[in-house]
Amino acid sequence: GQQVMQIPQYQHVQEGEDFTTYCNSSTTLSNIQWYKQRPGGHPVFLIQLVKSGEVKKQKRLTFQFGEAKKNSSLHITATQTTDVGTYFCAVGFSGGYNKLIFGAGTRLAVHP
Amino acid sequence: SAVISQKPSRDICQRGTSLTIQCQVDSQVTMMFWYRQQPGQSLTLIATANQGSEATYESGFVIDKFPISRPNLTFSTLTVSNMSPEDSSIYLCSVVVQETQYFGPGTRLLVL
Repeated sequence: GQQVMQIPQYQHVQEGEDFTTYCNSSTTLSNIQWYKQRPGGHPVFLIQLVKSGEVKKQKRLTFQFGEAKKNSSLHITATQTTDVGTYFCAVGFSGGYNKLIFGAGTRLAVHP
Repeated sequence: SAVISQKPSRDICQRGTSLTIQCQVDSQVTMMFWYRQQPGQSLTLIATANQGSEATYESGFVIDKFPISRPNLTFSTLTVSNMSPEDSSIYLCSVVVQETQYFGPGTRLLVL
């Protein structure tokens, strides 16, 4: 079945440093979604990427979808303590938007 | 968007008992999804709750263990039956609205 590998599992940074998490698939993806889960919270949708080579920005967050649509990344510039949480990528079963397969997640800790 | 509520928010249960989790959405949706998030882990889809028909279960999950009801387009329940400590998890319901998946706040279950 479809799987998505996400690395790293954990990342500890000093406030102000950058952070990147990566997701990779062995198969071509029709879309990929990113979620953030704060400690004790539930996953919150951040963004969806659909097009090959797509780059989207949300303030300090930059999301990329690879040219081959097999990998994606989330980059945070100048991390802040509010960025703490676990970031998940997710892909839909059979390329849809409904049933999602989640990556393992990257837990980000930001030290002030 | 969609606003989702879940009851209970958390519970501590004895092994061998059952717990029913309720999920209420503020709009009518065709499909509702139930996910499980074991401690420190990613999310795994349990089943899709379809209104007017039986739920569709993913590999590793069965109806006898996780019976689901979907009496209308805004409500669903998930029962965790004959619980064991391995069932200690966060259980989340979710819906898709305009290609965006929204999650409820989750039910934190601890089985002793």
